[in-house]
Amino acid sequence: EPEVTQTPSHQVTQMGQEVILRCVPISNHLYFYWYRQILGQKVEFLVSFYNNEISEKSEIFDDQFSVERPDGSNFTLKIRSTKLEDSAMYFCASKAGVLTGELFFGEGSRLTVL
Amino acid sequence: AQTVTQSQPEMSVQEAETVTLSCTYDTSESNYYLFWYKQPPSRQMILVIRQEAYKQQNATENRFSVNFQKAAKSFSLKISDSQLGDTAMYFCAFMKHGIRGGSQGNLIFGKGTKLSVKP
Repeated sequence: EPEVTQTPSHQVTQMGQEVILRCVPISNHLYFYWYRQILGQKVEFLVSFYNNEISEKSEIFDDQFSVERPDGSNFTLKIRSTKLEDSAMYFCASKAGVLTGELFFGEGSRLTVL
Repeated sequence: AQTVTQSQPEMSVQEAETVTLSCTYDTSESNYYLFWYKQPPSRQMILVIRQEAYKQQNATENRFSVNFQKAAKSFSLKISDSQLGDTAMYFCAFMKHGIRGGSQGNLIFGKGTKLSVKP
């Protein structure tokens, strides 16, 4: 069964360092998302991406964050200068099309900022 | 803005029994989806069941069913014949329905209910 894959599963970084989280969405899906879950808190929407551009972003998704789909398969989330409060589980998700509601999630990348 | 509220932080149920998880939401939208996602300790979020707001019939998926009360903005999940593998965090989520590009699709999640199924 097709699935969304994410790498790395866990990354530890020093405050101020750049981090790139990678995702391979399901191959025929058109919509891509990043969500964040701080330990013990609810899952929060960060950004949605469609047709090679950001379609919507939340207040969390500030100038330190960026996304891109460099090669038609990978979908990446970059945090330019990590802060302690960026420590969280980051989930990538994809959706097939406009009329389908279901998002398929990856297993997440745990980011720990020291 | 939409909000989703899950008032039960934790619940437990004996194996083979039935349990109901509560969810309420607030929105001014008329067209939307509601979902229940399961997040087991393995952490991947898995769709359990979904409901389209324009459908009056409650969705069912095997042992999982919902009680969707649109006027009351309530969307509870019933798990029948609970199994040990149902132990997980359950999230209720809301999504606006739209046709303009990818603008719909961001899920609004509740805080989750931790369900423990006891043998």
